[in-house]
Parts: sequence; C-alpha cells; structure tokens
Amino acid sequence: DQQVKQNSPSLSVQEGRISILNCDYTNSMFDYFLWYKKYPAEGPTFLISISSIKDKNEDGRFTVFLNKSAKHLSLHIVPSQPGDSAVYFCAASASGSNYKLTFGKGTLLTVNP
Amino acid sequence: GAGVSQTPSNKVTEKGKYVELRCDPISGHTALYWYRQSLGQGPEFLIYFQGTGAADDSGLPNDRFFAVRPEGSVSTLKIQRTERGDSAVYLCASSLAGLGTEAFFGQGTRLTVV
Repeated sequence: DQQVKQNSPSLSVQEGRISILNCDYTNSMFDYFLWYKKYPAEGPTFLISISSIKDKNEDGRFTVFLNKSAKHLSLHIVPSQPGDSAVYFCAASASGSNYKLTFGKGTLLTVNP
Repeated sequence: GAGVSQTPSNKVTEKGKYVELRCDPISGHTALYWYRQSLGQGPEFLIYFQGTGAADDSGLPNDRFFAVRPEGSVSTLKIQRTERGDSAVYLCASSLAGLGTEAFFGQGTRLTVV
C-alpha cells in the first residue's frame, strides 16, 4: 500500500515553461512534506519542504503547494531549465516518527531546450 | 569530503554470498539512516540509528539483513545469503539530530545479486 503516490512516472516540458509535479498521500498522520531531486548515480538532494500548518512555501523558482483536505501537494518550477531534468521524489513524515521518510515512486522530469 | 560517503559504489555478488555495505556519515551527525531503492520505486526506510543504537529497525525486510554502528559514526549494512531480490541501490543518510527531514543522503551502493 503506497502511502505516498506520484501517479505520473514522467513529465516533459519546454524550457521556460512551468513544470507541475503532483503527489498524493493517504496517511493523515503525515505532517511534513518534502521534495527531493535525484540525478543518475547520485543520492537524493533536498529541494524544498512544507509543514502541514502552511499551504504554500516558495524558494526561488520552486513553490510547493499543500492541500490538506485533498491530501495533495504539488511542486511548481517556474521557469523550467534544462538543468532541472531529474527524478523528483515526494516524501512525507509523521510527527510521531519524524526520523522516517516515506517516499513516492518519483517523476522523471525532462526539460527540453 | 564533507558529505555522506558510501562504499563501494557498486557491488556484484553471487546468490547466497554475504555482503557488507559501508556508510561514512557527515562528521558530528548523530543520526544515521539506511534506505533501499529498488528499480522503479522510491527509497524505502530500513533502519535508523541514534548514536550507536538502532532506534528503529522495523524496515529491515528479514533476518538476513543486519546493520551496526559500533562507535556511533561509521555504519555497516550486512546482508547474509543474498538473493536476487536484494538487488537495489542502498542509500545511507545522516543528520545532526533524529530528524529525517534534515538528512543528507550519500550517493548509494548499487548491489547486484547474480
């Protein structure tokens, strides 16, 4: 049972346009959400996060939106750049076990020049 | 280097053999985590150390898997009687305190069991 779901295995966008990556979760105990970026043969690197007390967090070109009632979050990248091409993982943690991350399967983003 | 270091980068072993995977965390990080990423999946939690002790090993798939961190720094993940289904990338991460949300990941060890 996937508690964190990324239903789009891949996404292709044009350079300069917006990339929107989506993530759904089922566990209502999750209260902190993160996005990681992963290049081939490298470990995941932290990108941006959001606490459940917020509905938006912005950092430069990256914005994460959280809709708690829908148990849905999304990552917006504007404008998209070719260097953003990577696998993006959505992850979540629960306050009772905040040492443990539950990851989605990832979405491969390709930004075309 | 200043990051989490994992060795070897790649390991090919025969079914039934024993393997050890090593993780050098960031200096001063008391918390250490192991995750496993199978093909087409996201990383899955295996075990969490706080200092020398395993605070949560509930993610270890069975008793063929064992991990140690005897001095509270370097950790070794040990897999006995390897099976082809153990093939995956094994990721290690560390953090200052036990907040997985502030963990830094290593590059992983790709284990292939043939």
